[in-house]
Amino acid sequence: DAGVIQSPRHEVTEMGQEVTLRCKPISGHNSLFWYRQTMMRGLELLIYFNNNVPIDDSGMPEDRFSAKMPNASFSTLKIQPSEPRDSAVYFCASSLVGTVPGNTIYFGEGSWLTVV
Amino acid sequence: AQSVTQLGSHVSVSEGALVLLRCNYSSSVPPYLFWYVQYPNQGLQLLLKYTSAATLVKGINGFEAEFKKSETSFHLTKPSAHMSDAAEYFCAVSPRDSSYKLIFGSGTRLLVRP
Repeated sequence: DAGVIQSPRHEVTEMGQEVTLRCKPISGHNSLFWYRQTMMRGLELLIYFNNNVPIDDSGMPEDRFSAKMPNASFSTLKIQPSEPRDSAVYFCASSLVGTVPGNTIYFGEGSWLTVV
Repeated sequence: AQSVTQLGSHVSVSEGALVLLRCNYSSSVPPYLFWYVQYPNQGLQLLLKYTSAATLVKGINGFEAEFKKSETSFHLTKPSAHMSDAAEYFCAVSPRDSSYKLIFGSGTRLLVRP
C-alpha cells in the first residue's frame, strides 16, 4: 500500500523565494496534517484538515505560511517569502479520524527545507 | 494544557540489554498515548498506542509499554536491544476531547552499543 507521499524530499532555496511543498495522503483517509520538526522546537502541528476543510490552523507561524487542500488526494504548504528560520523538516501526515478512538496518524518521509 | 515529558534526550544501552524509555504526561483525564519511532532521514512510524483497553500494550519490533494512571506514565520497554533499534523515539499524547491532535515529547535518541 502506498503511504503518504511528499515532494520534494529535499529543497534548498534562497531567502525571499517561494517554496511549495506537496503531499498526497493515504487513499481513504479523511484527515491531513502538516507538522514541522526543528531541533529547537521539536515536532509542531502547523495545520489540520478534515474532509479538505482547515479545522485547526493555530500552529501556522505567520502570514507567510499558507496551506490548501483542494481535494481529498492533494495538499500544499506554501511559504512566501521564505526565511532562513524556516529551515526544517516538514512532515505531511494523514489518518482516518472519527472511526476508532485514538486514531493512528501516518507520516510521510518529510520534506527537508534549507533556506540560505 | 496537555503536555508530555520524556526523561533523557539520549539513552545508551548495550546490544542485548533492556531498553527503557521514559514518558510522563500531564492531564487530569488520561489521554490517548502513543510511541512513535523515527529512523534517520525518515518519517515517524507508530510503535504502539494506548486507547484505554489493556494497560499493557504490545507493539511492533518487540516493544511494549505500560500505562500507569497513578504515575501518569507510559514508559516504553524492550527486553533485549538490537542494533537496528537505534533511532529516535517520541512519546505523544492525544487529548480525548480533540483526539485528532498529537502533542509530541521532545524525543529520546536510543544508541545501541555492540
